[in-house]
Amino acid sequence: KQEVTQIPAALSVPEGENLVLNCSFTDSAIYNLQWFRQDPGKGLTSLLLIQSSQREQTSGRLNASLDKSSGRSTLYIAASQPGDSATYLCAVKMDSSYKLIFGSGTRLLVRP
Amino acid sequence: GAVVSQHPSRVICKSGTSVKIECRSLDFQATTMFWYRQFPKKSLMLMATSNEGSKATYEQGVEKDKFLINHASLTLSTLTVTSAHPEDSSFYICSARRGWDEQFFGPGTRLTVL
Repeated sequence: KQEVTQIPAALSVPEGENLVLNCSFTDSAIYNLQWFRQDPGKGLTSLLLIQSSQREQTSGRLNASLDKSSGRSTLYIAASQPGDSATYLCAVKMDSSYKLIFGSGTRLLVRP
Repeated sequence: GAVVSQHPSRVICKSGTSVKIECRSLDFQATTMFWYRQFPKKSLMLMATSNEGSKATYEQGVEKDKFLINHASLTLSTLTVTSAHPEDSSFYICSARRGWDEQFFGPGTRLTVL
């Protein structure tokens, strides 16, 4: 059974700092991995999607990497801003299913 | 990007009543929609997969008679929480599948049962 873990559970950094969020999964037979952002009381916004054959994806100040064999992904946020404060969730999609399996999220606070 | 809406965004009801939540894909057809439940500061837990024109598939431990799902058209799925109790209070989020890869999420519905 696939399990997705995110570390740390919470993170507080000063504005301008570069930071890394971690996601690990137990079953490497994934189809893709996706990073989402969730603001309090809101739905999910997709940030980056990495296919299993890819190593990384970039969008603006965000860079996500995937090491499928070791069951790890990282989300790198450059030059963090207070507006980046949110919960970041990673989710994996397995080869055989439409379902997304979510990690428990990292709550990020970027202090002005 | 594709848009998924949910209605209502927030609902408060008395214990024992039933509540219906709608999930709509506004600019694409979704043969599959998903219903999730999220507890405070926790991740999303998949409750069921809703397929247009057929019965929903429920995850282990989710009571199908408690959480009724109807996917009557390619753009609408509904979740009805029957005989709601305070422990059913939660944030419910739907998503709609487009193609193989993509799921688009609704803004969520906050249910409070008094």
